[in-house]
This record gives sequence, C-alpha cells and structure tokens, in this order.
Amino acid sequence: EIVLTQSPGTLSLSPGERATLTCRASESVSSGNFAWLQQKPGQPPSLLIFATSTRATGIPDRFSGSGSGTEFTLTISRLEPEDFAVYYCQQYGDSPTITFGQGTRLDIK
Amino acid sequence: EVKLVESGGAVARPGGSLRLACAASGFKFDDYSMNWVRQAPGKGLEWVSLVSWHGATTYYADSVRGRFTVSRDNGENSLHLQMNALRPEDTALYYCVRGYCSDLQCYFDKWGQGTLVTVSS
Repeated sequence: EIVLTQSPGTLSLSPGERATLTCRASESVSSGNFAWLQQKPGQPPSLLIFATSTRATGIPDRFSGSGSGTEFTLTISRLEPEDFAVYYCQQYGDSPTITFGQGTRLDIK
Repeated sequence: EVKLVESGGAVARPGGSLRLACAASGFKFDDYSMNWVRQAPGKGLEWVSLVSWHGATTYYADSVRGRFTVSRDNGENSLHLQMNALRPEDTALYYCVRGYCSDLQCYFDKWGQGTLVTVSS
C-alpha cells in the first residue's frame, strides 16, 4: 500500500499570504492518479485538483498543483478567508489501492 | 445536478450488522464506478470499498475485507454497503463517492454528505 505523508500537519497563515502544502508518497505515484481534496468544517471533502495539476470545475486559479513521482505540492498563491480548511492528498493506484494523506490543517493566523 | 444521498447509518452493537444505501441522481449512474470512504470522528479519510460500473468487480480495504460487501443496482441508481461483524473501530461517517477513470487518470469527483455509523455496546 502506498503511504502518503503530508506536511506540515498544521499551517498557520494570514489572508493574502502564500501557502505551500506537500505530500510525499512511499513509492512512485502516477501523476494522472494524484489529487487534492479540500474539506471545510461540517462538510464532505470536495475535489480541488486532479491529475496532479488540473483544477476541478469552479476552482479559482489561485490554487495550483505540481509534482511527480513521490513528491507533490499544492500552492495557494494568495489566501482568501474561505481557503482555511483541511487539505488531503489522494492517490488512486493499481488493483486499485486508494489512499489518502493524513491531512494538512490550514488555520488563520 | 449530481446528488449522492446516503442513508442507513445508526448505532449498532459490536458484532452486529448494518446496511448503508446511497441514492444517486443527476448523472448516468452506470457510467461510473462508485466508492465508500469513511472518516472517523476528528480523523482523516479512509477508502473502504469500490464497485465497478457494472457491479461485477469489487475491491475492499484490508480493514473491512470479509466483513463488508458492496453492491449496486443500476436500475435503481443505488449503491449499498452491507456491514457485518461490526467493530468499534468501524465508527465513522461513511461517504458515498463517485469515481471517474479514463485511460490516463482516476479520481473521486463527487461526494455525498455522509451517514454516521456508531458501533458501541
């Protein structure tokens, strides 16, 4: 099973700042099968980015994803108040084996 | 509008059974694989099970294999999860999730609101 490790666990920033979240995989992940999800309090997760770098419908361009192999990054260029949430990375492997990272909590500083 | 509405969550005793359901609407149900993903209170996400678009192929996380059974009824646009031999660690919010796969990419694109399962004596 591919283990995804997200860092940091918690990130405290102010609106307008840049956020960089990292997800490291225990073995190589297909870029087409790597995604980022956002979860706000009391809500289900929602798709943010799929295939490493493609924004889901309606996601603003301040969100961007990059990476390959075992290291992936989610960048939020300028934080808006509604961006403070928990972010999960996800890989969809062969067999299939589907795993999530443990999450990064993005808090308002 | 795509809608996934879960039901069937309840309090169950250890060793007991529950059957979850997910009603899907707003899309061609049999074009998609479907999944169950759970989230224990205050914890992260754990994939539980996947059923292929036709229902003939199923996959399970090691933590539930042999105890849970996923199925679908494409005529009724519904997804089910039969949960047997429940354990306290099965306590979680269970989400019904649509999966999209093409030749080049796979991801989970739509999530329901979830149904809460509590396993306690």
